[in-house]
Amino acid sequence: SQQGEEDPQALSIQEGENATMNCSYKTSINNLQWYRQNSGRGLVHLILIRSNEREKHSGRLRVTLDTSKKSSSLLITASRAADTASYFCATAGYSSASKIIFGSGTRLSIRP
Amino acid sequence: DTAVSQTPKYLVTQMGNDKSIKCEQNLGHDTMYWYKQDSKKFLKIMFSYNNKELIINETVPNRFSPKSPDKAHLNLHINSLELGDSAVYFCASSPPWTSGRVTVQYFGPGTRLTVL
Repeated sequence: SQQGEEDPQALSIQEGENATMNCSYKTSINNLQWYRQNSGRGLVHLILIRSNEREKHSGRLRVTLDTSKKSSSLLITASRAADTASYFCATAGYSSASKIIFGSGTRLSIRP
Repeated sequence: DTAVSQTPKYLVTQMGNDKSIKCEQNLGHDTMYWYKQDSKKFLKIMFSYNNKELIINETVPNRFSPKSPDKAHLNLHINSLELGDSAVYFCASSPPWTSGRVTVQYFGPGTRLTVL
């Protein structure tokens, strides 16, 4: 079954504004990852946050994780046209045959 | 110096045909995956191999058969193609697990399969 669900499904903002995407999941996780997918391309890993971490930064990206609420958010600051893409959260469990399960994605459009 | 490559990029075929998609990674990773992304962008894992051994086999019709000749290659063969098989298929690889934890996945560019 699908683990992560992103919210909103689509987001359109003006260049320079901040974009926030949320992800909710259902079961306990080892880590949560965010990926970006440009149109017609494969997914690219952006950032990984472990279950014992609450916040992580990478350049203009800021990820938070609240394991009590089973939710995560991805903030992109000072958005650029090149940030236009779909963003997916993916959760990884603890079992040795673990796999990461992707959410449904948020389609982000940056207006010039 | 492409990390994860797939061929072909586009595949258009008739219902009932058999087709294969090839994947190669030059990252030295132990684990490789096949994912299917439908028209709504939902990405679902199909198979995973670790060092040529099948470790994940989701509820996929047995018309789909993965084959890993070595740990750098994972091919996907599909028999008797159906309309519902139309999707984008992604290959991915990941570094060796540490204590059974899944790490970051590196994706190929995808193969868009269209069944007519």
